[in-house]
Amino acid sequence: AQSVAQPEDQVNVAEGNPLTVKCTYSVSGNPYLFWYVQYPNRGLQFLLKYITGDNLVKGSYGFEAEFNKSQTSFHLKKPSALVSDSALYFCAVTLPWGATNKLIFGTGTLLAVQP
Amino acid sequence: DGGITQSPKYLFRKEGQNVTLSCEQNLNHDAMYWYRQDPGQGLRLIYYSQIVNDFQKGDIAEGYSVSREKKESFPLTVTSAQKNPTAFYLCASSAPRQSMAGELFFGEGSRLTVL
Repeated sequence: AQSVAQPEDQVNVAEGNPLTVKCTYSVSGNPYLFWYVQYPNRGLQFLLKYITGDNLVKGSYGFEAEFNKSQTSFHLKKPSALVSDSALYFCAVTLPWGATNKLIFGTGTLLAVQP
Repeated sequence: DGGITQSPKYLFRKEGQNVTLSCEQNLNHDAMYWYRQDPGQGLRLIYYSQIVNDFQKGDIAEGYSVSREKKESFPLTVTSAQKNPTAFYLCASSAPRQSMAGELFFGEGSRLTVL
């Protein structure tokens, strides 16, 4: 069965420092991988995705993520954190689109950026 | 502007009552989804529909029902059979284009509280 794990409930980082939010996945075949962000009492917003090609994908708001097939990971990164990046981040996985057309989400990681 | 509209934003219900959450989209998307969000559990799929007049159960469909009579609308009914309905409910849609595979567009959510 497909699954995705976000091992950290919360990540704290000082403004200006680099940030990493971790994600590992378990799925047979070649997965599609995603990151979404949620601000308080709002819906989720798509940040970036990996389907194929370059292992480093760039997304919205200066975020990027690195796909590592051998470690089955897809960690979210940003070189310099902003206070406004504070939010709940979700990693998600699916089999190639068209098979199920549905995402499986992780439990989320709360990112807190201190000024 | 195109988007997804969920209503009501907040809803209170007495035990034993059915309630219906509205989800409307003007993005011309074929697929629509309902997710439930609980603290520490991430998002769990309730139902999804890939085309009008067709829908499939997700991982936690018990106690819920849906209909898809129009492309724009995908209402969710939380029935009295749902044992723990208090949660934040999110509706989403996705475009059929392969280039946008997995990119879900979310509404702002509906928070249901059972008194």
